[in-house]
Amino acid sequence: DTEVTQTPKHLVMGMTNKKSLKCEQHMGHRAMYWYKQKAKKPPELMFVYSYEKLSINESVPSRFSPECPNSSLLNLHLHALQPEDSALYLCASSRTGSGGVYNEQFFGPGTRLTVL
Amino acid sequence: AQSVTQLDSQVPVFEEAPVELRCNYSSSVSVYLFWYVQYPNQGLQLLLKYLSGSTLVKGINGFEAEFNKSQTSFHLRKPSVHISDTAEYFCAVVGLSGGYNKLIFGAGTRLAVHP
Repeated sequence: DTEVTQTPKHLVMGMTNKKSLKCEQHMGHRAMYWYKQKAKKPPELMFVYSYEKLSINESVPSRFSPECPNSSLLNLHLHALQPEDSALYLCASSRTGSGGVYNEQFFGPGTRLTVL
Repeated sequence: AQSVTQLDSQVPVFEEAPVELRCNYSSSVSVYLFWYVQYPNQGLQLLLKYLSGSTLVKGINGFEAEFNKSQTSFHLRKPSVHISDTAEYFCAVVGLSGGYNKLIFGAGTRLAVHP
């Protein structure tokens, strides 16, 4: 199984709502990533989890709250978002490496988020 | 610091014609290079990658790319495109950030294949 799944596919929420995005993989990967992609732009890294611990936060506003409850699951909790947060949110996973070894990231299909 | 420049934001081409999407990179460390494709309303799919070894890399869907260290380029080519190749293509390089590897993407090239 080389698939990363994301739910929901689409999400529309108001600025006062609280919602969550979910990402799952069963490849045994211990690194998981959240990216944000605006229309006609490349993906931008938001967070990296390694062994269920937050390793990188790319200065993301606190209205985005990631969570990694186990090695297969990654959530992104959303609260008090702004219309400019509307984007495609991509999840990815990879093996972990050291000593300069790079491990390929596998991407999910994304969640299309619209904030009204 | 690592960076990627995709020289063309859009490339229109007729079906069955050859195409080249250009990518230049800068990197002060070992170079790992990738091409990803993104079809409309979908996630990223890896087309091909260069980690080491042969400079000519073959990928899926008939695409190939050549790593040229002296020109710091990693151009993507296909000898004959199909309508279904219409998509956004991203070149990416691995960079180090805070001790972790991260993908650094180019701005993307929109390939539009016309009948």
